[in-house]
Amino acid sequence: EAQVTQNPRYLITVTGKKLTVTCSQNMNHEYMSWYRQDPGLGLRQIYYSMNVEVTDKGDVPEGYKVSRKEKRNFPLILESPSPNQTSLYFCASSSWGGKNTEAFFGQGTRLTVV
Amino acid sequence: GQQLNQSPQSMFIQEGEDVSMNCTSSSIFNTWLWYKQDPGEGPVLLIALYKAGELTSNGRLTAQFGITRKDSFLNISASIPSDVGIYFCARGSGGSNYKLTFGKGTLLTVNP
Repeated sequence: EAQVTQNPRYLITVTGKKLTVTCSQNMNHEYMSWYRQDPGLGLRQIYYSMNVEVTDKGDVPEGYKVSRKEKRNFPLILESPSPNQTSLYFCASSSWGGKNTEAFFGQGTRLTVV
Repeated sequence: GQQLNQSPQSMFIQEGEDVSMNCTSSSIFNTWLWYKQDPGEGPVLLIALYKAGELTSNGRLTAQFGITRKDSFLNISASIPSDVGIYFCARGSGGSNYKLTFGKGTLLTVNP
């Protein structure tokens, strides 16, 4: 079954404690991205990756890092989380180019930073 | 970044009614996508549009890519309770339409 898998689904952490949210896709997609969803703001892109070792900032990258060492995985790293990073996070993947731009989303990770 | 204006922000309707929502952009783009997000889930693609003027249906859903390439609408006919959720428009950009920008969403509530 084609899917994007995020872990964990729920996470409560304290300010400053480094954390990683994992994302894995089994569709051999080149393109992966991270979004955060906040009430009234919709989905905003944090970082994206066009292929292995190719990443770039989205619209709200501050406070986040990513890596793309393998095609299937695209972890989101918060080196020093702060309360304003409390949000619902989604990973998405899609094929590169043309009509294959429809993104498939994971089920989300709800992060609370206290 | 580029902004998408999605309206309305929320809708409360009775079961059986038709619904319409739309998105506009100040720039032209090559792709419009419509997603639905159920509570506690990630967004799921409903309809994808790739040509100006294109009108596409998916069951009770119909979406159109505006002729100016700056807008799109989504209609839902004969709404049912499971239509409840947040509907997002998104437009593609970048050399191969790989970068998606989302509207802020329309929260739809359907009263049985």
